[in-house]
Parts: sequence; structure tokens; C-alpha cells
Amino acid sequence: GAVVSQHPSWVICKSGTSVKIECRSLDFQATTMFWYRQFPKQSLMLMATSNEGSKATYEQGVEKDKFLINHASLTLSTLTVTSAHPEDSSFYICSARTLGAQGQPQHFGDGTRLSIL
Amino acid sequence: QQQVKQSPQSLIVQKGGISIINCAYENTAFDYFPWYQQFPGKGPALLIAIRPDVSEKKEGRFTISFNKSAKQFSLHIMDSQPGDSATYFCAASIQNAGNNRKLIWGLGTSLAVNP
Repeated sequence: GAVVSQHPSWVICKSGTSVKIECRSLDFQATTMFWYRQFPKQSLMLMATSNEGSKATYEQGVEKDKFLINHASLTLSTLTVTSAHPEDSSFYICSARTLGAQGQPQHFGDGTRLSIL
Repeated sequence: QQQVKQSPQSLIVQKGGISIINCAYENTAFDYFPWYQQFPGKGPALLIAIRPDVSEKKEGRFTISFNKSAKQFSLHIMDSQPGDSATYFCAASIQNAGNNRKLIWGLGTSLAVNP
């Protein structure tokens, strides 16, 4: 149980284009989804937290106009990297959890490797 | 205060040995401590987790030891296998001002188990 699917797993695109990444919880309802960015051999950096039906809460230093997050249903959240540039190249990972006690863990997708040429 | 300090940064263990990774924190508002395992090119996978009212939790070859007074917790991997070679992250959960829960992550430990 607790499967999170992320798509696409790898995307290469030209500078200036926008890229959408999907995150789906397959067998549970995700009241909260998280988007992370991870650089090689580094820890996960939280970008934003989104609750279903609400605006996302962005971490300090993350441009909300650059990284658009939508969490329209209990099973789907999307991250759109707008006007992507080479410095946006990274490994983006989503996670999801259900509403409940503090013991509800985050379950992660397998990430999307984004390469901007 | 929001940090979780993880050590060592890298670890090499012989097959069959015990791998030990340590984490320390300062913020007593943390109330849930998961460990995640990450293989290259994959997302982290929840390995085992503990709450601060428990001093030890064991699941198969994986054990968390938790010392609330010292604000430290550790992951022990018994009978380490080459397939355990991965990066391990400790984390601590906290409820933030917006009533959301977030994880504060350690920097990770790269474990290599030699055959």
C-alpha cells in the first residue's frame, strides 16, 4: 500500500519551455503533498507543501511564480516549472501523506530528473 | 534549532556486520522520527519510524534506538547485506505555523556494504 506515482521519470527540454510533473497517490487519499528538489549527493530540499483544494505553501527562497503547484484532487498534484532554465535542472521528488496523527509518514514517488538544455 | 545532524557522512561495512547511523536534534517539538532509504535515481522509501515515547523499535534487521533525554536517535542495520548499500536519511517531523507537518532532513549517510 501507500504507492505514489510520479510522471515523467525523465524529461529533457529546451531553455524557456515549461514542464509539468504529475504526482499521484494510487491507493490512498493524499490530503497533503510535498514537492522536493534534490541535488546530486545532497539531502532533500522542501520546496512547497500543498493541501488539497488550497494554495500551496512555499518555503523561503522558492519562487512561487516559477514553480506552480496545483493540488486539485486528493490523488493528484502537479508541479509546473515555468520558463525553465539550465539552473532549474535537478531531481524533483513528490511525496504524499494522509491527514491524521503525527505518525502518518510521507510516501515518495520515484522522482523526475529534469534536464534543461 | 530546526536542524537534524546526521553522521557519519559515509560508511563502509563488511557483509554480515552492523551498520550504525546516528542523528541528533535540538528542537523538542519534533514528535516523529522516520528513517528513509534511497537508491540512486529513486525516491526515498520509508524504512522504519519511531515516536519519542518509545526507546526502541525493531523491524526485521532494522532497529531504531531513541534517547529522548540526549535528543539522539540511531539506526542499526544488523547482518548488513550488499543490497543494503544505499543512502540513508534520518528525519524529524514537526507541525509548522500553517498547521502543516513537515520533515526536517539529515544530510544523509552513504552506506556501502562490501561482499
